[in-house]
Amino acid sequence: GAVVSQHPSRVICKSGTSVKIECRSLDFQATTMFWYRQFPKKSLMLMATSNEGSKATYEQGVEKDKFLINHASLTLSTLTVTSAHPEDSSFYICSARDPLGEKLFFGSGTQLSVL
Amino acid sequence: GENVEQHPSTLSVQEGDSAVIKCTYSDSASNYFPWYKQELGKRPQLIIDIRSNVGEKKDQRIAVTLNKTAKHFSLHITETQPEDSAVYFCAATKGAQKLVFGQGTRLTINP
Repeated sequence: GAVVSQHPSRVICKSGTSVKIECRSLDFQATTMFWYRQFPKKSLMLMATSNEGSKATYEQGVEKDKFLINHASLTLSTLTVTSAHPEDSSFYICSARDPLGEKLFFGSGTQLSVL
Repeated sequence: GENVEQHPSTLSVQEGDSAVIKCTYSDSASNYFPWYKQELGKRPQLIIDIRSNVGEKKDQRIAVTLNKTAKHFSLHITETQPEDSAVYFCAATKGAQKLVFGQGTRLTINP
């Protein structure tokens, strides 16, 4: 299947700092990528849809100024958690559809811990 | 919008027995139903999927059935093995729209 790469895998930061997470589609182009958040023992919650060359589409209740998404190229989307606080601690995971546009493949995820 | 309900939340079976996880969806227009397996701290892995024009699909020990009329689909794992222990998520979507996930089922295979 299509390979989606995500970095970093783990981040520990102080409260108030910003954290950037990168998501790359390897050997295929992804005009759309999806960012999910997952709490322990919970399901995947869609945060936003990242669209190459245009603004991201955020789900209801997700603060767009808090979670900045940039999709500047066909293979890279970034999620920046701005002014992180302990409640932002979570597992963040990106995904992209394969070139045929149906199957969804996930990055390896980023465990964010805000102290 | 689409809503996906998944049951049970936890399932424990003896090694070698079968496991069944069920999901229901609300949007009759949904036409793609994947299943993902997620091990602790890892990414969800696509294990099988089915489209609305098919009633059943099988891949070795894994099978998925779809009942469009009742709007439910199920994952069947036969001859379970310890490595099948994980959290399983069902999902539903329409075309290229966003995937909506079920709540997940924690499957434990007892040796």
